[in-house]
Amino acid sequence: AQKITQTQPGMFVQEKEAVTLDCTYDTSDQSYGLFWYKQPSSGEMIFLIYQGSYDEQNATEGRYSLNFQKARKSANLVISASQLGDSAMYFCAMRPLRSGGSNYKLTFGKGTLLTVNP
Amino acid sequence: NAGVMQNPRHLVRRRGQEARLRCSPMKGHSHVYWYRQLPEEGLKFMVYLQKENIIDESGMPKERFSAEFPKEGPSILRIQQVVRGDSAAYFCASSRFEGTGGSGNTIYFGEGSWLTVV
Repeated sequence: AQKITQTQPGMFVQEKEAVTLDCTYDTSDQSYGLFWYKQPSSGEMIFLIYQGSYDEQNATEGRYSLNFQKARKSANLVISASQLGDSAMYFCAMRPLRSGGSNYKLTFGKGTLLTVNP
Repeated sequence: NAGVMQNPRHLVRRRGQEARLRCSPMKGHSHVYWYRQLPEEGLKFMVYLQKENIIDESGMPKERFSAEFPKEGPSILRIQQVVRGDSAAYFCASSRFEGTGGSGNTIYFGEGSWLTVV
């Protein structure tokens, strides 16, 4: 079984500053994928960034980077130069990467509500 | 490319009525997933379908819920005799392949269908 823990129910950041959203995970799988999704107030789920457990380098996508520390089982999302439009709910998720298993099934955390202040 | 299309975005049903939610996957995607998001919770897996086949319905409630993905047309999630506890956001997602690794198999979500049972 897989489990995602997001310990920050809410976070505040000033516009143009960087912010880190925490995510820890638990799994018995050797290979897995980690995802971050953004859910603005309009409700849609927007894919942000992906990290494979076998990737040696941390993933980056524009202002988003994933601070992956495998030994600590953490996959924190770093947003640089925050913008007002970044205010949203952020979900960390994972799925196993193994043949023959339920590797299509995403497990989500409960999310962190980020508010960017002007 | 059009993303994952869901309709209706919002649906209100009285207790005992049926709710029918539709999902058209992204072009080129043949794997469809349904997730449910209860208030202030992360998404929970319900069912995984390929064309004309239910692959995994382990997250579906045993009664009143059913899903299909016919050869032609969208995937349908059907909830019969709705109760207040069914009020939630229902997300459809799709992917090109079943999860065998890599960011190329990212799962993309639709905008969700918000069901309110009164």
